[in-house]
Amino acid sequence: GENVEQHPSTLSVQEGDSAVIKCTYSDSASNYFPWYKQELGKRPQLIIDIRSNVGEKKDQRIAVTLNKTAKHFSLHITETQPEDSAVYFCAPRPENQGGKLIFGQGTELSVKP
Amino acid sequence: DGGITQSPKYLFRKEGQNVTLSCEQNLNHDAMYWYRQDPGQGLRLIYYSQIVNDFQKGDIAEGYSVSREKKESFPLTVTSAQKNPTAFYLCASRQAYGYTFGSGTRLTVV
Repeated sequence: GENVEQHPSTLSVQEGDSAVIKCTYSDSASNYFPWYKQELGKRPQLIIDIRSNVGEKKDQRIAVTLNKTAKHFSLHITETQPEDSAVYFCAPRPENQGGKLIFGQGTELSVKP
Repeated sequence: DGGITQSPKYLFRKEGQNVTLSCEQNLNHDAMYWYRQDPGQGLRLIYYSQIVNDFQKGDIAEGYSVSREKKESFPLTVTSAQKNPTAFYLCASRQAYGYTFGSGTRLTVV
């Protein structure tokens, strides 16, 4: 099955700095690569996603880059704000497995004012 | 809650009891999923269903059962065989690349 590893597990930055979280997956047939933000006790919220035919996607301060050859994708947050503090999960989707998402272990991001 | 409703929000189970968590969606989505989340960890897949009257085991199905008699509903039963059921349970539905999560049920064994 798909193995997903996410690094780092915790990340602390100063407000205004950039944050990068990396997700490595094992199934080369994975075709969909979302990032979720989860606040304590709440449901995960999709913040950005990318499909396998695209290398990069940007939405204001958030971007995702995909390297299918190396089997990893990364979340980039620029100009971080205290409200970005949360746990972030990558969740690649293996092909032909019912659309299930395989979640990483999460990265706890703390943005210090 | 965004078209997918989980109930109850909090649930307490005594040792040896079976309990059922409800998940209902009005999005007309074909696929539905149950995930379990333990503190400080990612979501792990319990069961999923792509169509009515069909479902598959996920990575941690032992001690759980599901049914999919209607497109809108995908209830999860936590049986007494699940030895450590205390966790946050999330239901999701999907159409193509669009996933919608419920607000979750927090189950505690007392």
